[in-house]
Amino acid sequence: QSALTQPRSVSGSPGQSVTISCTGTSSDVGRYNYVSWYQQHPGKAPKLIIFDVTKRPSGVPDRFSGSKSGNTASLTISGLQAEDEADYYCYSFAGSPWVFGGGTKVTVL
Amino acid sequence: EVQLVESGGGLVQPGKSLRLSCAASGFTFEDNVMHWVRQAPGKGLEWVSSINWLSANIHYADSVKGRFTISRDNGRNSLYLQMNSLRPEDMALYYCVKDIRSVLNNDYGLDVWGQGTTVTVSS
Repeated sequence: QSALTQPRSVSGSPGQSVTISCTGTSSDVGRYNYVSWYQQHPGKAPKLIIFDVTKRPSGVPDRFSGSKSGNTASLTISGLQAEDEADYYCYSFAGSPWVFGGGTKVTVL
Repeated sequence: EVQLVESGGGLVQPGKSLRLSCAASGFTFEDNVMHWVRQAPGKGLEWVSSINWLSANIHYADSVKGRFTISRDNGRNSLYLQMNSLRPEDMALYYCVKDIRSVLNNDYGLDVWGQGTTVTVSS
């Protein structure tokens, strides 16, 4: 049950786009279309922003989008806003267990 | 309003036990897969355990297998985590989490989170 690999940090200016990668293996990300993404602000519980690789829950802005290619899933934030500064985690089904990525801190410059 | 409220956390000595509870409201609890997820201070999220609607499919992270037991009482809209043989590395904020996955769909995602209950393991 190895954690999925995410970059520790990414940054961008307001209005720019940033992409966070989430690399797994053929046993998790590559095998199942059950990748989800979570946003966590300091001191708060995580919030679901993408599920089943590309789907957005109601209320999540369409600035957030998800994709997958092979063993790597990606979260793109378009039109970066100040409130997007947070930690982001990917999460994937991996057979019986589930596994999170190590988390990526997004900084809005 | 959909809500999850955890309780039962606290300070416990290494090797001792603790039972966490989670009270669910605002949705049909018996229909959904439920999870426990933890977060050590300053660290990332770690999936701990999951249980499906009939308690027929139960899974654990390797780090807690054999020591933790997840259970649910659909009549009481409650989820539990019995934690035995606690170790310092189990110290974390424990979240009760609802999955989108239910008897009605094939989607997966953790859509409702409680505020967490803190477990401190120290002598």
